[in-house]
Amino acid sequence: SAVISQKPSRDICQRGTSLTIQCQVDSQVTMMFWYRQQPGQSLTLIATANQGSEATYESGFVIDKFPISRPNLTFSTLTVSNMSPEDSSIYLCSAGTGTGDTEAFFGQGTRLTVV
Amino acid sequence: GENVEQHPSTLSVQEGDSAVIKCTYSDSASNYFPWYKQELGKRPQLIIDIRSNVGEKKDQRIAVTLNKTAKHFSLHITETQPEDSAVYFCAASVGGGSNYKLTFGKGTLLTVNP
Repeated sequence: SAVISQKPSRDICQRGTSLTIQCQVDSQVTMMFWYRQQPGQSLTLIATANQGSEATYESGFVIDKFPISRPNLTFSTLTVSNMSPEDSSIYLCSAGTGTGDTEAFFGQGTRLTVV
Repeated sequence: GENVEQHPSTLSVQEGDSAVIKCTYSDSASNYFPWYKQELGKRPQLIIDIRSNVGEKKDQRIAVTLNKTAKHFSLHITETQPEDSAVYFCAASVGGGSNYKLTFGKGTLLTVNP
């Protein structure tokens, strides 16, 4: 199994500012994923982060708004830029160990409130 | 891209009854179908998954069935207990497991009444 830690667990931010969320995995993983979960809603994939290459963004999400770093096989960051109240959500990172046949684990999430 | 529909959005059962949640998917290339349980304020946790080469999988009180032809899969919980109360999400993936992105259904809020 993989243990995934996210920081911060929650934050309240002013509109127009940026927040960087960190995701640390206790073992090396190939792919890391960032999801957004709006209040009472499902999980929507923002982007896929592969070490050594640019992140791949899903429709409706752009790099300027959600820049992602993946400096090594255990760590990734997601930045929420120029925040507005609509960005208030839970942001979750996900990864798994081993081959593609293993399950995906989630971090505990970062609850972001933009005021 | 993949689209996953999940029903019902809410489900209330009496303790000891069975609960069934159904999902359909659109991409015939999807071959991995996990179910996640999310308690309030907690992270999603995998409870069971199934791959497209299997029609049914069971783990104690939980079972999942898959109909590839109809592109739907279902979660069955028997002998429900109050601690089963949570939001359940189905998901689908092309490739399966940890190295591939998941497309989630909208979730089902299950309430088990004592």
